[in-house]
Amino acid sequence: AQKVTQAQTEISVVEKEDVTLDCVYETRDTTYYLFWYKQPPSGELVFLIRRNSFDEQNEISGRYSWNFQKSTSSFNFTITASQVVDSAVYFCALSVRMDSSYKLIFGSGTRLLVRP
Amino acid sequence: NAGVTQTPKFRILKIGQSMTLQCTQDMNHNYMYWYRQDPGMGLKLIYYSVGAGITDKGEVPNGYNVSRSTTEDFPLRLELAAPSQTSVYFCASSSSGYGYGYTFGSGTRLTVV
Repeated sequence: AQKVTQAQTEISVVEKEDVTLDCVYETRDTTYYLFWYKQPPSGELVFLIRRNSFDEQNEISGRYSWNFQKSTSSFNFTITASQVVDSAVYFCALSVRMDSSYKLIFGSGTRLLVRP
Repeated sequence: NAGVTQTPKFRILKIGQSMTLQCTQDMNHNYMYWYRQDPGMGLKLIYYSVGAGITDKGEVPNGYNVSRSTTEDFPLRLELAAPSQTSVYFCASSSSGYGYGYTFGSGTRLTVV
């Protein structure tokens, strides 16, 4: 099976707390890409990061960091010193091959609420 | 730079009506996709296209049709709307598909009553 599991349906934190969003994936492909998207209350999908299966280096971008571990098939996302503007639904996604193209398989999302 | 443009943003349909969701991209991308997002769920692929004149089914194609006569346009047709098609619809495009993050439109919120 090829799927993405985001076990945390909803997380609520107080502003300035650190928070980690979990993502576990399954794929039979040896080469694949993983993504994180943010969906704020306005509804659009905002691309955050892409990681390929050959690159297990952690990535940091400002208050955001990502931990990719092939051994555990996980691609977790940490927000440091959370802010109210981080409140959104966050989706983890996996790029998998179809007949003539590739598609993104999305997890069910984690709703993050950051309270002032 | 418009990216991916979807119209309309909102629509209410009565059961049995038909409509077309429009999607246009100005990035000369070959790959285009239609996803639907049900409440509290992730996105599921309806149809996709790898170039003008070529379309194929995704995971949940029943009740929908698509066409791709130009590189820019990828309309999604709903025939005989049903309440189960109440959802938010996203169109996306990509230059290559694999490994390249998609550019998504802003979505169409459709309610069937």
